[in-house]
Amino acid sequence: QQQVKQSPQSLIVQKGGISIINCAYENTAFDYFPWYQQFPGKGPALLIAIRPDVSEKKEGRFTISFNKSAKQFSLHIMDSQPGDSATYFCAASSGANSKLTFGKGITLSVRP
Amino acid sequence: NAGVTQTPKFRVLKTGQSMTLLCAQDMNHEYMYWYRQDPGMGLRLIHYSVGEGTTAKGEVPDGYNVSRLKKQNFLLGLESAAPSQTSVYFCATYRLGLSGYPDTQYFGPGTRLTVL
Repeated sequence: QQQVKQSPQSLIVQKGGISIINCAYENTAFDYFPWYQQFPGKGPALLIAIRPDVSEKKEGRFTISFNKSAKQFSLHIMDSQPGDSATYFCAASSGANSKLTFGKGITLSVRP
Repeated sequence: NAGVTQTPKFRVLKTGQSMTLLCAQDMNHEYMYWYRQDPGMGLRLIHYSVGEGTTAKGEVPDGYNVSRLKKQNFLLGLESAAPSQTSVYFCATYRLGLSGYPDTQYFGPGTRLTVL
């Protein structure tokens, strides 16, 4: 059973547009929800993370929206740029050990 | 990938051979993790450690062993490699903030392993 599901599987956005990636989770014990960005040949890098006590968190052009009742969270990339073209993973964890469960990732392409 | 190094970067093994992957960090982080990444599968946790001398199993531990004899190093061993272990392996380190959640995370650059 996949505990963290991402959608869509791939996304193409025009430069300057808004990229929206969604994630749904099963385990109600999850209490930490990060998003990662990965470029080809590199390790993932933490973009932004949220905890269930807030519904939205913004850092620069990146915003996480969190809906606890729907067990969903999403990443919004405002003013998308070609340099944002990468694979994006959502993840979730619970407890102090912070064992992350990852979604399968989506490939974002931002066209000039 | 600042502060986290992985050795080697690439390796080709034959079925049944053994090898050790090394993850080294210079940030004094307590928490270290080994993940594998396969196409279309995301990252899956193999083993992790919450401090020197401690290790625990993750989601896909079979066929792997780990050791954390020194705080800065986390070793992943394959005793008898199988083609199913062909993957890209990532090490990650976390520091927990006062909130109890990770406030600093780094992933290494990865080790690409092929088992023939």
